[in-house]
Amino acid sequence: QVQLQESGPGLVKPSGTLSLTCAVSGGSISSNYWWSWVRQPPGKGLEWIGEIYHSANTNYNPSLKSRVTISVDKSRNHFSLTLTSVTAADTAVYYCARARYRRTWSLDYWGQGTLVAVSS
Amino acid sequence: DIQMTQSPSSLSASVGDRVTITCRASRDNIKYLNWYQQKPGKAPKLLIYDAFNLETGVPSRFSGSASGTDFTFTISSLQPEDIATYYCQQYDTLPVFTFGQGTKLEIK
Repeated sequence: QVQLQESGPGLVKPSGTLSLTCAVSGGSISSNYWWSWVRQPPGKGLEWIGEIYHSANTNYNPSLKSRVTISVDKSRNHFSLTLTSVTAADTAVYYCARARYRRTWSLDYWGQGTLVAVSS
Repeated sequence: DIQMTQSPSSLSASVGDRVTITCRASRDNIKYLNWYQQKPGKAPKLLIYDAFNLETGVPSRFSGSASGTDFTFTISSLQPEDIATYYCQQYDTLPVFTFGQGTKLEIK
């Protein structure tokens, strides 16, 4: 059973950098899946941030692309999210998830999520 | 960009009722989409993939269908544990994953 677990600071100052890591267990990050980040502001809907393959190929949401970097560390079986120049609008629960392809792509395994607040 | 219009935004129904949620794609090249259930304080859970396939372990009272650009999610007999917010999701050219606005389902 694949499990994902987010970790990182729960509080980031405005204009600072948000950094989170997603540890993958029960499976290899080098398997044939993409690995995604999704966020959810309090009381709002889901927003896809971006994804990475173990080859380090990435895709990003155009609305965040200028501030986002997703990286992978195969030796540690984890992938990471960096979001720069954060504002209060970036306050959200951040989830990592695995993307699986059948006839289209879906997110079949999710971490429990971690709340990141942007505040001074 | 593909836009997903999900309706209704909220829904109140009684235990045992048949419940239907719809997502409409803004372009007709979307052939498949997925449905998720999110309970308060929890991560979303994949219920239906590729429009009508039930994810392993998901009760058979959940189902999905498609007709043109309209995708429908149905709970055949609402149970108390089905109280949650439901999202549709499609995959297309960037942004790669797009979610519907969500439908909050409550018990009447």
